[in-house]
Amino acid sequence: EPEVTQTPSHQVTQMGQEVILRCVPISNHLYFYWYRQILGQKVEFLVSFYNNEISEKSEIFDDQFSVERPDGSNFTLKIRSTKLEDSAMYFCASSTRWTARGEQYFGPGTRLTVT
Amino acid sequence: GQQVMQIPQYQHVQEGEDFTTYCNSSTTLSNIQWYKQRPGGHPVFLIQLVKSGEVKKQKRLTFQFGEAKKNSSLHITATQTTDVGTYFCADIANSGYALNFGKGTSLLVTP
Repeated sequence: EPEVTQTPSHQVTQMGQEVILRCVPISNHLYFYWYRQILGQKVEFLVSFYNNEISEKSEIFDDQFSVERPDGSNFTLKIRSTKLEDSAMYFCASSTRWTARGEQYFGPGTRLTVT
Repeated sequence: GQQVMQIPQYQHVQEGEDFTTYCNSSTTLSNIQWYKQRPGGHPVFLIQLVKSGEVKKQKRLTFQFGEAKKNSSLHITATQTTDVGTYFCADIANSGYALNFGKGTSLLVTP
């Protein structure tokens, strides 16, 4: 069964450093998302991406964040200058349809630890 | 986006007992999705409810959407240890692109 993959599974970085989290969505999916989950808390929406542009972003997704689909398969989340509070699990998700009409498939996540 | 409130936050049951989690909103929801997250895992889609008063079943799981589309519930009959995890409801933001998750209900099942 096709699945979303994410690399790395765990990233440790120092405050102020840039990180890039990578995702490979399911191949025929058109909509891509990033979410984060701080340990023990709820899943929070960051950004959705469709047709090579951001379709929606949350308040969390400030100027320090950016997303890119550099080729036909990868979808990346960049954090320009990490802060301690960016420590969380970051999930990539993809779907074939607009969220209102279909399920999202989540990847296994990247645990980001900022020290 | 809309805020969905989930109760209870935690539930500890003996294997074989039933379990219910509730999701409530102060505003009308267009539709609602339910996800399960096992400990250390990622959210996995369970179901989407769209119609007022809708009831859907998946084996021992029963999902309901309220008549006013302001609440939803997930009921598990005769829990098993494999049901352990956190159950989230998620509503769709007005734009249709974002999922707004509730805080989830963590279920612990002891044999």
